[in-house]
Amino acid sequence: AQTVTQSQPEMSVQEAETVTLSCTYDTSESDYYLFWYKQPPSRQMILVIRQEAYKQQNATENRFSVNFQKAAKSFSLKISDSQLGDAAMYFCAYGGSDAGGTSYGKLTFGQGTILTVHP
Amino acid sequence: GAVVSQHPSRVICKSGTSVKIECRSLDFQATTMFWYRQFPKKSLMLMATSNEGSKATYEQGVEKDKFLINHASLTLSTLTVTSAHPEDSSFYICSARAGQGTDTQYFGPGTRLTVL
Repeated sequence: AQTVTQSQPEMSVQEAETVTLSCTYDTSESDYYLFWYKQPPSRQMILVIRQEAYKQQNATENRFSVNFQKAAKSFSLKISDSQLGDAAMYFCAYGGSDAGGTSYGKLTFGQGTILTVHP
Repeated sequence: GAVVSQHPSRVICKSGTSVKIECRSLDFQATTMFWYRQFPKKSLMLMATSNEGSKATYEQGVEKDKFLINHASLTLSTLTVTSAHPEDSSFYICSARAGQGTDTQYFGPGTRLTVL
């Protein structure tokens, strides 16, 4: 079974600064997807960024980027120029490739990291 | 992006009663829907995977007779908590996927269930 570990229960950052959230996972599969989701106080899950394991290039989405180390099974999220609206709980998630190999099935989530942004 | 709704957003019920939660894909057909449970400040735990027109696949440790899942149409899945007890109080979230080859799951806003 796949496991996802987020070792930082809480993190804080000053507005406009950079913060990195850590995530490690364990799997025996070679094809899979990795995600970072944001859950603000509204509890709505918001996809921040995703990475396909077969892609060596790290994904980026505006101020959000990942450091994907496949051999080390590490998938960290870097938030640059942090904003007050970035404050939320962040979940790392693993999605195994489904039978067709073109998508992913169920998601396994890490424990979450609560990010506080100080003005 | 695609929209997934859940109804109700909050429900309070008495112990022993049954509660139905609906998950709808509003602008796409969802061949697969997933049901998660989340305790306060905790992670999402997958309860079951539901494919349209077939029986749901439950994760280990989830009582299928207690958490009844029906996915009768391509836009609607329901989760019924039968004979609810206070320990069933939680936040329930669904997600929906259009089908294989579509690599995005869209999450609903969640339903907070409180059992008195």
